[in-house]
Amino acid sequence: QSALTQPRSVSGSPGQSVTISCTGTSSDVGGYNYVSWYQQLPGKAPKLMICDVSKRPSGVPDRFSGSKSGNTASLTISGLQAEDEADYYCCSFAGTYTWVFGGGTKLTVL
Amino acid sequence: EVQLVESGGGLVQPGGSLRLSCAASGFTFSSYWMHWVRQAPGKGLVWVSRINSDGSSTNYADSVKGRFTISRDNAKNTLYLQMNSLRADDTAVYYCARATIFGVSGMDVWGQGTTVTVSS
Repeated sequence: QSALTQPRSVSGSPGQSVTISCTGTSSDVGGYNYVSWYQQLPGKAPKLMICDVSKRPSGVPDRFSGSKSGNTASLTISGLQAEDEADYYCCSFAGTYTWVFGGGTKLTVL
Repeated sequence: EVQLVESGGGLVQPGGSLRLSCAASGFTFSSYWMHWVRQAPGKGLVWVSRINSDGSSTNYADSVKGRFTISRDNAKNTLYLQMNSLRADDTAVYYCARATIFGVSGMDVWGQGTTVTVSS
């Protein structure tokens, strides 16, 4: 149950696009299409942004998109806005009804 | 309004026990799997445990297996986490979270968290 690997930080200017990667193994990210992404604002609870690799729950802006290739999943945020500045976490189903999170990525909007 | 409210956190000595509760409202609690996720100070999210909709199936992270027990009372719309043999590295904010209706897809509703501090 090793944590998925995310970059510690990414940054971008308003209007630009950024991509956050999430690397696991064939036992988690690569083995299932059950990757989810969460946004956590300072002092707040996480919020689901993407589930099932690329599905957006109701209410999540279409600027947020997800994808996966092999053992690496990605979250792309296009048209960056100041309010997107937050910590982002990936999570993957890891078989036998266990889940594993990534270490988190701090997004800074310059 | 769909809501999860955790309670039961506090300061406990190493080796001690604590029971967390998570009160659910605004949805049919008995239809959903539930999770506990924790976050140590300044650190990332860590999955702790999951329970299925009727409580017959439970799973745990290796770090808490044998020490923590997840349970639920669907008549009271409440999720629990019994934590025994607590260690300093169990210090964290503990969140309860609802699984999506499809179970394994993700966690779509989160509580505000309750803080557990293990210290002498």
